Amino acid sequence: AQTVTQSQPEMSVQEAETVTLSCTYDTSENNYYLFWYKQPPSRQMILVIRQEAYKQQNATENRFSVNFQKAAKSFSLKISDSQLGDTAMYFCAFSALNTGNQFYFGTGTSLTVIP
Amino acid sequence: DADVTQTPRNRITKTGKRIMLECSQTKGHDRMYWYRQDPGLGLRLIYYSFDVKDINKGEISDGYSVSRQAQAKFSLSLESAIPNQTALYFCATSDSTGGRSKNIQYFGAGTRLSVL
Repeated sequence: AQTVTQSQPEMSVQEAETVTLSCTYDTSENNYYLFWYKQPPSRQMILVIRQEAYKQQNATENRFSVNFQKAAKSFSLKISDSQLGDTAMYFCAFSALNTGNQFYFGTGTSLTVIP
Repeated sequence: DADVTQTPRNRITKTGKRIMLECSQTKGHDRMYWYRQDPGLGLRLIYYSFDVKDINKGEISDGYSVSRQAQAKFSLSLESAIPNQTALYFCATSDSTGGRSKNIQYFGAGTRLSVL
């Protein structure tokens, strides 16, 4: 079975600062994907970033980057130059090809950006 | 994502009523999913469908049923609603056929359901 753990229910960061959200996962699969989704107050689920497990290079998307440690099964999200619009719930998710692309989600981290 | 449309956006119903939540997509994706979101629990998979004739139970299917009427439509039914089915429900789609969007799930705007 796949599990995804987000151990930080709530976090806050000052505007323009950097924050890191943690995620760990457990799986016996070798071929899988990891994702970070953002859910603002509008409740829409928005893809932030994706990492393919076979790629050693960490994914980046503008101000968002990940630190993917495959051996440690860790997948943290770094947000640089935080903006007020980054205030949202962030979910880490796991998907494996052998399990039919089912997504397994963590319980989320509520991030507040303070002006 | 406007390409994945859920109706209704909000719904209040009473215990014992049958209700249907609908999802349609214009993305041309083959796979569709239903999740529920509860505070502190994240999103959990209810049912998923790889094509019109392939429907599978997810982690929490009890009390729910689904119908894949066409590749673009996937509906979720609560046969006899109960209060602990009060939650936010999401439909999602993904494309298994390749390309850069392969294996990404795209979500609708959600349906907030309250069962009184």
